[in-house]
Amino acid sequence: AQTVTQSQPEMSVQEAETVTLSCTYDTSESDYYLFWYKQPPSRQMILVIRQEAYKQQNATENRFSVNFQKAAKSFSLKISDSQLGDAAMYFCAYRSRLQGAQKLVFGQGTRLTINP
Amino acid sequence: EAGVAQSPRYKIIEKRQSVAFWCNPISGHATLYWYQQILGQGPKLLIQFQNNGVVDDSQLPKDRFSAERLKGVDSTLKIQPAKLEDSAVYLCASSFPLGSGRADTQYFGPGTRLTVL
Repeated sequence: AQTVTQSQPEMSVQEAETVTLSCTYDTSESDYYLFWYKQPPSRQMILVIRQEAYKQQNATENRFSVNFQKAAKSFSLKISDSQLGDAAMYFCAYRSRLQGAQKLVFGQGTRLTINP
Repeated sequence: EAGVAQSPRYKIIEKRQSVAFWCNPISGHATLYWYQQILGQGPKLLIQFQNNGVVDDSQLPKDRFSAERLKGVDSTLKIQPAKLEDSAVYLCASSFPLGSGRADTQYFGPGTRLTVL
């Protein structure tokens, strides 16, 4: 079974600075998806960014980018120019591409605080 | 485009009572998921539907939890009887149909926070 590990329960960063959240995963599959979701106090999970394992190029979405290291099974999220609205729980998630195995497997989450 | 709708947002019950949660997915999303998120943890899949058929319910505690999606759109998740350890946020998510080429991303509703006393 796949597992996802986020080793940083909490992180903090000064507004406008850059922060990196870590995620590692374990799988025997070669093709899969990886995601970062943001969960603010409202509880709604919001997709931040996704990466397809067969793509070597790291995904980017505006101020958010990932460092995908397939051999190391590492998938970190970099947030540039941090804003107060970025404060939330961040979850890393894995999804197989095998037919019938569509569930997301989540890590334990990292609470990100933005200091003004 | 309307997102995933869930109700109620909050529910407080006593142990051994029953409770039901409702979810309406994004229009056109044939695949629907129910996740349980216990405080301090990441969400865990309870059940997955494709249209009105169950794809994966391996982690659903079937002695007390049940779910249905009779017409392939709305879904209801029920707990009967509730236990203290069922206190959690219940998240509903939806995606395009499996095999459509667009099923990779799941979109979540606001969740229902259940407290069992």
